[in-house]
Amino acid sequence: AQTVTQSQPEMSVQEAETVTLSCTYDTSESDYYLFWYKQPPSRQMILVIRQEAYKQQNATENRFSVNFQKAAKSFSLKISDSQLGDAAMYFCAYKEVGYNTDKLIFGTGTRLQVFP
Amino acid sequence: DGGITQSPKYLFRKEGQNVTLSCEQNLNHDAMYWYRQDPGQGLRLIYYSQIVNDFQKGDIAEGYSVSREKKESFPLTVTSAQKNPTAFYLCASTSLDLAGNTIYFGEGSWLTVV
Repeated sequence: AQTVTQSQPEMSVQEAETVTLSCTYDTSESDYYLFWYKQPPSRQMILVIRQEAYKQQNATENRFSVNFQKAAKSFSLKISDSQLGDAAMYFCAYKEVGYNTDKLIFGTGTRLQVFP
Repeated sequence: DGGITQSPKYLFRKEGQNVTLSCEQNLNHDAMYWYRQDPGQGLRLIYYSQIVNDFQKGDIAEGYSVSREKKESFPLTVTSAQKNPTAFYLCASTSLDLAGNTIYFGEGSWLTVV
């Protein structure tokens, strides 16, 4: 079965600095999707960024970018110019594709603290 | 506004009771999902449904039941067989028109056993 591992339960960063959150996954599939979700104290799940496995180019959304290493099954999230509002739980997720397998599998999360 | 509505936001259940969490979406999404979140853990899939009148068990379906009689509705019943139901429950949905499309979430429901 596919699994997603986030080995950093907690991370901290100073405001305006850069931080990288790690994620590894295990799959035998060649076609899949990867996501980073942010969950603030409100518990609302907010999509941060997504990556298609067939694309070699790393996805970027403003201050958020990923380092996707398909062979290593690694999918890290880099947050540049960190802001206080970035403090939240961050979840890495893997998505299968196909009928009755179209589900999202989550890691256990990384709690990010941002200090002024 | 389009979105996913979960209700109630907070629910208390006595031991031995069944309770039903509501999830409604007006996004015309095909697939709907229920996840459970416990402290220190990620989201675990309970049930999902890709078409009306069909649904599949996720990783932790025991003690839960669902129905999908309408495209926009996917209620979750937490039965008395669920031994540790206190948790945060999230409903989600997505369109199946495009592969890899994003899954959107509701605001969640807190269930506490008293």
